[in-house]
Amino acid sequence: EAQVTQNPRYLITVTGKKLTVTCSQNMNHEYMSWYRQDPGLGLRQIYYSMNVEVTDKGDVPEGYKVSRKEKRNFPLILESPSPNQTSLYFCATAGTYEQYFGPGTRLTVT
Amino acid sequence: AQSVTQLDSHVSVSEGTPVLLRCNYSSSYSPSLFWYVQHPNKGLQLLLKYTSAATLVKGINGFEAEFKKSETSFHLTKPSAHMSDAAEYFCVVSLLTGGGKLIFGQGTELSVKP
Repeated sequence: EAQVTQNPRYLITVTGKKLTVTCSQNMNHEYMSWYRQDPGLGLRQIYYSMNVEVTDKGDVPEGYKVSRKEKRNFPLILESPSPNQTSLYFCATAGTYEQYFGPGTRLTVT
Repeated sequence: AQSVTQLDSHVSVSEGTPVLLRCNYSSSYSPSLFWYVQHPNKGLQLLLKYTSAATLVKGINGFEAEFKKSETSFHLTKPSAHMSDAAEYFCVVSLLTGGGKLIFGQGTELSVKP
């Protein structure tokens, strides 16, 4: 079954404590990306990757890092989380005609 | 530059009545357009997609959308609403058919009254 998995699904953390949200796909897709969803703003792209070792900024990259060492994995790193990064995060991977989204990670930074 | 505008932040209908969720887009190129649905505390599910084939696109659960280039619109419709249709709906545009950045509208919350 085609799948995009994210972990953790829920996370409450404190300001400044580094965290990583993992994303993994089993569809052998080259393109992967991260979005954040905030009320009234829809989803906005944080970072994307066209292939292994190729990453680039989306619309809201500040405060985030990514890496793409393997095709299947695309972790999102928050080196020093702040309360304005409290959000719902989605990982996505692109096939020929559509994108597939993970189940989401709800992050709260206090 | 590409952009998407969903004209209503909230739509309320009665069960059994038609649904219309409005979406206008702006794109310098021939776009790919999508509608996604998000049920409460759930992920995103693709309802339907337009990729320069037929302008009337049929999706899952009885939804359909019509691509109108002259009006730059891609409105989502359903003849008869069901309680299970209550959710948030996103109109999305992409330059590329699949890969590439998606531009999301702000979302329309659909409520269905019994």
